[in-house]
Amino acid sequence: EAQVTQNPRYLITVTGKKLTVTCSQNMNHEYMSWYRQDPGLGLRQIYYSMNVEVTDKGDVPEGYKVSRKEKRNFPLILESPSPNQTSLYFCASSQGGGAYYGYTFGSGTRLTVV
Amino acid sequence: QKEVEQDPGPLSVPEGAIVSLNCTYSNSAFQYFMWYRQYSRKGPELLMYTYSSGNKEDGRFTAQVDKSSKYISLFIRDSQPSDSATYLCAMTFSGNTGKLIFGQGTTLQVKP
Repeated sequence: EAQVTQNPRYLITVTGKKLTVTCSQNMNHEYMSWYRQDPGLGLRQIYYSMNVEVTDKGDVPEGYKVSRKEKRNFPLILESPSPNQTSLYFCASSQGGGAYYGYTFGSGTRLTVV
Repeated sequence: QKEVEQDPGPLSVPEGAIVSLNCTYSNSAFQYFMWYRQYSRKGPELLMYTYSSGNKEDGRFTAQVDKSSKYISLFIRDSQPSDSATYLCAMTFSGNTGKLIFGQGTTLQVKP
């Protein structure tokens, strides 16, 4: 089944403890992206990647890191999480960018930072 | 001012009604316009996309883009309870389609 897989689905952590949210897609998509979703603010793009080793900032990249060493994987790293990063995170992938083909989204990771 | 504005609702309609969902935007460089649907506890899924101005129809769904007014719409005919979801508009630029800007989403409830 074609899908984007994120792990974990739920995560509670403490301020300052480094964490990684993994994302993997099995569709051989070139584009991958991370979003966070907050009430009243909608989906905001954190980072996106056009191909292996090619990444660019979205609208809210502060406090996040990404890497794209393999085509199928695009992990999101929070090196020193803070409570304002409590959110619902989505990973997504696309065959040729968000326009023609749209992004296929994962099921989300609900992160709570205390 | 946000680049893309969308009334969050909630919007409640009876089954069979015609639903109109709208977004306005400020950046005239947007060329591609999309609508995503998101069910509770799920990721968004692409519903429709339109390039530049004009209409596009797919079954009960019609997407309209008016670039002169910076306004896009999604119409749902003969709405069904299964259409109850959050609808998000999204936009991107020609030449940089990896960057996708979403509206806040409108929550729709269709009552039987």
